[in-house]
Amino acid sequence: DSGVTQTPKHLITATGQRVTLRCSPRSGDLSVYWYQQSLDQGLQFLIQYYNGEERAKGNILERFSAQQFPDLHSELNLSSLELGDSALYFCASSVKGEMGTPLHFGNGTRLTVT
Amino acid sequence: GENVEQHPSTLSVQEGDSAVIKCTYSDSASNYFPWYKQELGKGPQLIIDIRSNVGEKKDQRIAVTLNKTAKHFSLHITETQPEDSAVYFCAASQWGGGGADGLTFGKGTHLIIQP
Repeated sequence: DSGVTQTPKHLITATGQRVTLRCSPRSGDLSVYWYQQSLDQGLQFLIQYYNGEERAKGNILERFSAQQFPDLHSELNLSSLELGDSALYFCASSVKGEMGTPLHFGNGTRLTVT
Repeated sequence: GENVEQHPSTLSVQEGDSAVIKCTYSDSASNYFPWYKQELGKGPQLIIDIRSNVGEKKDQRIAVTLNKTAKHFSLHITETQPEDSAVYFCAASQWGGGGADGLTFGKGTHLIIQP
């Protein structure tokens, strides 16, 4: 068990809808990362937060947004959903904010858009 | 940005034999190279990592080697066991710097251990 908790485990929704994925980092970790895993694209970095502030941005669509709250949990909001957004979404956390510190992944949220 | 190529995509070995997975990276500024193991229904789990000031690192049956000149690194698993069956990912990033790309992952290797 990595100590990173993601909810929900599964989510099924229709195109055009909006969903929110939630992540609680390991105790003591200040940094949260979001990754998308699909069969054709592999693991793609979306965004990173460190102690409440956005730290780095990867291949995140404008329809997607995230935030990290004062208690350090994070939410990833996906809107105007398309079929192609169906994927596994992983949250990871680390103690520090610098790249290269070991990441600890949750077990993911499987999003299915129908 | 960084690009990581991983080979092979599938690797089948007999139990007890060794397995080697290879990765190449494109950005010479990358200096942190972790390996993750992903089992079905779970998130990736860090199994070993190496930084560019080290050429080789070993942890029991797992070892990683790094050739910075050639920009490639490899994962070696010896005396493979059934529980080693999983998907393995290599990754690269800049350690300690302001790199804004996160970890760049390879596409993964499905390791199958045949009994």
